[in-house]
Formats: sequence, structure tokens, C-alpha cells
Amino acid sequence: AQSVTQPDIHITVSEGASLELRCNYSYGATPYLFWYVQSPGQGLQLLLKYFSGDTLVQGIKGFEAEFKRSQSSFNLRKPSVHWSDAAEYFCAVNDNAGNNRKLIWGLGTSLAVNP
Amino acid sequence: DAMVIQNPRYQVTQFGKPVTLSCSQTLNHNVMYWYQQKSSQAPKLLFHYYDKDFNNEADTPDNFQSRRPNTSFCFLDIRSPGLGDAAMYLCATSPIGSYEQYFGPGTRLTVT
Repeated sequence: AQSVTQPDIHITVSEGASLELRCNYSYGATPYLFWYVQSPGQGLQLLLKYFSGDTLVQGIKGFEAEFKRSQSSFNLRKPSVHWSDAAEYFCAVNDNAGNNRKLIWGLGTSLAVNP
Repeated sequence: DAMVIQNPRYQVTQFGKPVTLSCSQTLNHNVMYWYQQKSSQAPKLLFHYYDKDFNNEADTPDNFQSRRPNTSFCFLDIRSPGLGDAAMYLCATSPIGSYEQYFGPGTRLTVT
């Protein structure tokens, strides 16, 4: 069965430090991959997506992610974190089990940013 | 700006008292989703509409129903809310042929 794993439940970084959030997936074909961010009490906002082509994807708010097929990973990165980046981050992959309209979600990584 | 709107943002209901949450969109997307999200958890899909075609998740309780009277609006009805139904309810939309979903701000439901 398809799955998405975010190994880090909680990460704390200092403002200005670099960030990498890990995402591993299990999928039988070429996946469609997404990263969403959720601020407290808010809905989810799409940060970036990978469908095909260049494996390094640029997103909003200075985030990027790299698709590595050999490692089944789609890690999210940011070179310099801002205090406003503190939020919950979810990785997702499309569900190809007969219904590509659904997403399979990771459990999320909670990011705290120290001043 | 095109967007997904959810009303109300906060809803308090009593145990067993029916409640309706609403979602509207100006994106003109054909697919609409309802998710339930509990604290510190990933969103859990309840059901989705592909145009008027309703798709229920196998583990969605019968207590949850939905209506989509037109492309722009979708409603979530909880017939007899229990304490365990307290959660954030998220509406999302997606255009046909795409996989990305666009979310509303959510409705926080409290059951007393």
C-alpha cells in the first residue's frame, strides 16, 4: 500500500538557520508529490509540488524540495528560516489506487523557530 | 482573489444537536473535499465530490453527510455530533485533471 513517512515529528531550529524536513514515500509509479504548510488554527497552504521534469522544485516563501527517485524521498529545504515559518508541515502523494483525486498524507512535522 | 471560504470559522454545538458547516469556492473547481483534522494529526478525508458524483470514504461514519447543490457550494452535515467529533473541518477543492488541492481556512467545531 502507498504511504508517506515524515520521520521527524518535531523539529526546532534557530532563526536564520537552514532547514530540511524529510519525506519518504512508497509508490509504484512516478508519484505526484506535495508539501503543504499549516499555521495554527488555519487551513493548509500548498508550498510546492512535483509532477515531472526538473527534480528540484521551487515553491513559495523561499522553500524548495528535491525529488530523489532512488531514495523515494522528497525533502523540503529552506536556506534561512524566519520566525514566521513556525508551523506544521505535511508531505503528501497522490493515491493511485484507482482514484488519483485523493492524497495520502504524512503525519506532519511540527517546526518551532527559536529567536 | 479566487478562494475557498468556510463558514462559520468557529462553531459550538451541543451533544446530539445537528450542525451544518458550509464551504463555498470561487475557483470554479469541479472536485470538492471534506476533511476532518484532529489536533496534531494529518487531515482525514471524509468524502469528496467529483462534480455531482459523491464519493464516501469507507470509514466515514454514517453520522456525517454531505450536500453539493451546485459547483460553488458544499455542505457538511453532522446529524448527531458526539464529543469525538470535535475537530477542525477542512474543505478543499481541485480542478479536474489536477492533483493539487486548495484549502479553506477551516471550521473549528466544539461539542459541549
